[in-house]
Amino acid sequence: DTAVSQTPKYLVTQMGNDKSIKCEQNLGHDTMYWYKQDSKKFLKIMFSYNNKELIINETVPNRFSPKSPDKAHLNLHINSLELGDSAVYFCASSSKGRRQYFGPGTRLTVT
Amino acid sequence: DQQVKQNSPSLSVQEGRISILNCDYTNSMFDYFLWYKKYPAEGPTFLISISSIKDKNEDGRFTVFLNKSAKHLSLHIVPSQPGDSAVYFCAASDFGNEKLTFGTGTRLTIIP
Repeated sequence: DTAVSQTPKYLVTQMGNDKSIKCEQNLGHDTMYWYKQDSKKFLKIMFSYNNKELIINETVPNRFSPKSPDKAHLNLHINSLELGDSAVYFCASSSKGRRQYFGPGTRLTVT
Repeated sequence: DQQVKQNSPSLSVQEGRISILNCDYTNSMFDYFLWYKKYPAEGPTFLISISSIKDKNEDGRFTVFLNKSAKHLSLHIVPSQPGDSAVYFCAASDFGNEKLTFGTGTRLTIIP
């Protein structure tokens, strides 16, 4: 059973489009995260939700909007995609400890 | 400003020998440190962690050492095996903040 899953694994789209990436965890964790790994392989946090409530919001353009319908899901919606949004996006989850469990990643390519 | 740094982008080690990966940090508020391992096309997987109240933590072939005064930690893998070939990320967090700050990673290659 996959603990943290993301769909799709690959996403190729054109500039200006709107797209969503879905994340689900079956670990019973309360907190979920979105990270972005850019072309320099730097892994940086974007958002964090705890029990459907936003608790971390790093400096991310307003075009990125996380949505948490329940504590097992955290989706990422991106409006008006730009070339610079091309990256690998990782979802993660954690319980009370600080160890985070990561999904397999979604490689987004904007052309 | 990069608060967690891994200055060696790559490292090659002979199978059976010791692999030593290094990490430096600048934020003195960090009190919990983790190492993650990442294979291509997969997400990072947790390897080992250490709290700032300790200076060493061991788990099988993996040992993490923390030098708080130098703001430095290292991961030792003994003996190194071909399956250890991956990218290793160092990460840190401070108490009350669940955000992890990652280093840029070190690609470890184990030579058979």
